[in-house]
Amino acid sequence: KQEVTQIPAALSVPEGENLVLNCSFTDSAIYNLQWFRQDPGKGLTSLLLIQSSQREQTSGRLNASLDKSSGRSTLYIAASQPGDSATYLCAVAGTSGSRLTFGEGTQLTVNP
Amino acid sequence: DAGVTQSPTHLIKTRGQQVTLRCSPKSGHDTVSWYQQALGQGPQFIFQYYEEEERQRGNFPDRFSGHQFPNYSSELNVNALLLGDSALYLCASSWRGTDKSTDTQYFGPGTRLTVL
Repeated sequence: KQEVTQIPAALSVPEGENLVLNCSFTDSAIYNLQWFRQDPGKGLTSLLLIQSSQREQTSGRLNASLDKSSGRSTLYIAASQPGDSATYLCAVAGTSGSRLTFGEGTQLTVNP
Repeated sequence: DAGVTQSPTHLIKTRGQQVTLRCSPKSGHDTVSWYQQALGQGPQFIFQYYEEEERQRGNFPDRFSGHQFPNYSSELNVNALLLGDSALYLCASSWRGTDKSTDTQYFGPGTRLTVL
């Protein structure tokens, strides 16, 4: 059974800082890994998707890496802004179009 | 192009009642998945519908059932509500097609269910 863990559970940083969120999964036989953002009481917004054959994906100030053999992914946020404050969730899919298994998220607060 | 829509936004029920939540997938998508997200936790997969049939199911009791209509929209039904069913219910859509699928799942805003 796939299990996804995210560390830390919460993070508070000053504006402008670069930061790294961590995600680990127990079964390396994944199809892809997605990072999502969730604002309080809202749905999920997909940030980045990494296929199992890829090592990293970038979008603006966000960079996600994937090390499938070690069961780890990181989300790097450069020059953090107060608007980045949200919960960040990592999810893995075992096969194409299959269910997503989520971690419990990292709650990020960026202080002005 | 409308994204994934869900209704209602909020719902309050009492224990033992039944509830129906609705989801319309993103235009062009044919697969709908439902997730339950308790406060402070990550979403948990309930089930997935494609071609009007349940294709995958997570570890949820039979009180949770669903349906997919010919226009790809979907309903989630929960019978005999328990206090522990209070959660944000998220719908996600994707495209499976005939022999390939898109990988990104698009999520709706969710329905907040409170059971008193």
